[in-house]
Amino acid sequence: AQSVTQPDIHITVSEGASLELRCNYSYGATPYLFWYVQSPGQGLQLLLKYFSGDTLVQGIKGFEAEFKRSQSSFNLRKPSVHWSDAAEYFCAVGDTNAGKSTFGDGTTLTVKP
Amino acid sequence: GAGVSQTPSNKVTEKGKYVELRCDPISGHTALYWYRQSLGQGPEFLIYFQGTGAADDSGLPNDRFFAVRPEGSVSTLKIQRTERGDSAVYLCASSSGAGHETQYFGPGTRLLVL
Repeated sequence: AQSVTQPDIHITVSEGASLELRCNYSYGATPYLFWYVQSPGQGLQLLLKYFSGDTLVQGIKGFEAEFKRSQSSFNLRKPSVHWSDAAEYFCAVGDTNAGKSTFGDGTTLTVKP
Repeated sequence: GAGVSQTPSNKVTEKGKYVELRCDPISGHTALYWYRQSLGQGPEFLIYFQGTGAADDSGLPNDRFFAVRPEGSVSTLKIQRTERGDSAVYLCASSSGAGHETQYFGPGTRLLVL
């Protein structure tokens, strides 16, 4: 069965600092991988996705993620965090044979001024 | 264009009652998903429709939960004999296909069972 682990429940960074959110997945084949952001009172918004090709994926809002098959990881990065990035971030793995996605439990990002 | 909409936005009910939650997907999207998100957790898959049929209902927790999509557009999630443990945010998403197609999420329905 597919699964996702986000080891960090809560991360605090200073505005302007770099950010890396960790995601490890378990899946039997080449996965579809996603990062979503959820702000309070907002729906889930897709930041980026990987399903084939270049293992470094660029997304919206200056985010990127790198698929590392050998480590079963898909970590999210941003070189310089803005206060508006404070939110909850979810990593998900998609079933390539069906539609469903399995989500991690999320990482809450706090940005210090 | 309009995104995914869900009604009601909030629903408070009493234990044992029946509730219906509605999802209006993005026009033309053939795939529709229901997820449930409990406090402090990520969304948990419930059911996936491709057109009118349920392609995967493996996430429905028990037979109190049922969902329909009779015309391949709007979907209704139905919960019978609600329990306090059913309290959660119920999320709907739609996409133009399965697999790696982007799922667009609605704002969710917050269900509280007293």
